[in-house]
Parts: sequence; structure tokens; C-alpha cells
Amino acid sequence: GENVEQHPSTLSVQEGDSAVIKCTYSDSASNYFPWYKQELGKGPQLIIDIRSNVGEKKDQRIAVTLNKTAKHFSLHITETQPEDSAVYFCAASYGANNLFFGTGTRLTVIP
Amino acid sequence: DVKVTQSSRYLVKRTGEKVFLECVQDMDHENMFWYRQDPGLGLRLIYFSYDVKMKEKGDIPEGYSVSREKKERFSLILESASTNQTSMYLCASSLGENTIYFGEGSWLTVV
Repeated sequence: GENVEQHPSTLSVQEGDSAVIKCTYSDSASNYFPWYKQELGKGPQLIIDIRSNVGEKKDQRIAVTLNKTAKHFSLHITETQPEDSAVYFCAASYGANNLFFGTGTRLTVIP
Repeated sequence: DVKVTQSSRYLVKRTGEKVFLECVQDMDHENMFWYRQDPGLGLRLIYFSYDVKMKEKGDIPEGYSVSREKKERFSLILESASTNQTSMYLCASSLGENTIYFGEGSWLTVV
């Protein structure tokens, strides 16, 4: 089955700086890569996703890049704000069912 | 907006009790999922369902069963709760191969 590794497990940045979270996956058949944000006491919420026919996708301050050859994908958050503080999960699947999740990154944005 | 509702947010049960976790989605989604979330382990799939009365084992089905009698409702059952089943349980749903939406989670403590 798919194996997704996520780094770092914790990340602290100053407000306004950028944050980058990286994931690698093992199954070359995977073609869907979502990122979820989980705030304290809540369920994960999708923030951005990318499919394997696209190399990069942006949504305001958030971007995701995908390198299918190297089997890794990354989340980039620019101009971080305190409300970006949360746990972020990457995931991979073929199709969007049966997602395989990374172990999460706890991001802290220091005001 | 998609809404996935987990009726019980916090439960405390005794070892050996039978536990039901209920989940309802309001978007006529075909697919429903139960995940378990533990620190450092990310989200792990317990069971999923593609249709009414249909179920498939995920990565960690041991000690759990599920029921899907109606399209909008997916129940997770712990036949005889044990302390190692203390965890956060997340229900999710999706339509076809599209985005998976999560509920707010159910915190279960088994004493």
C-alpha cells in the first residue's frame, strides 16, 4: 500500500514569514494529493489539493507543488498569520478514496 | 456546504461495553469513511463504505465493525471496548473520486 512521510513534525515561524511542509509518497499510481488543516478540537478541513496532471496550484497565500518523478509534494504558506497555527496533514491516493495520510505537522506562527 | 455530523463529541465508556459512534452526512454522498486519529500516527482508515449495506475493511479494522443501513448514515461499532481504543474518531464522506469531507470528531475514552 501507499506510504506517506511528512516533515517536519513541528514548525515554528515568525508572523509574516513563509512556512514549507514536505511530503513524500511511495506508490507511483497515486494521483491525488490533498492538504488538510486541523484546528484544535475540530476535524480536518481541506485547504488545497492537486492532481498529478498539474505541477503547482495556488490559492491566495497557499500553494502546493508536486514532483511526480521524485514522488514528493509540498505545501507553501506565505505571509503567515497567527490563525495559520494548526496541524497540517498531507495525503495521497489514487482517485480520492482511501486517502493515505502523513503524520501531521504542527505549525505555530509566533506574533 | 457539506455537513458531516458526528452526534457524540465526547464519550467515556467502560472496558467491555458496546459503543456506537454515529455519523450523518447531508450531501447525498456515496462514500463514507471512519478514521482513527492518534498522536504521531496521523489518520488511519478503519472501514469505508461505497454504498448502502456495503463495507470494506481499511487499514485497522480489528475490534471494529460498521453499519450502513441508509445512504446518509454510517455507524462505527466497538463490540467490546478496550483501553487501546481510546482515541479520536473521525467520520468522512465523499462523492465519487472527489474531495473527502470530515466531521468534527468524536473523542472516546475507554476506562
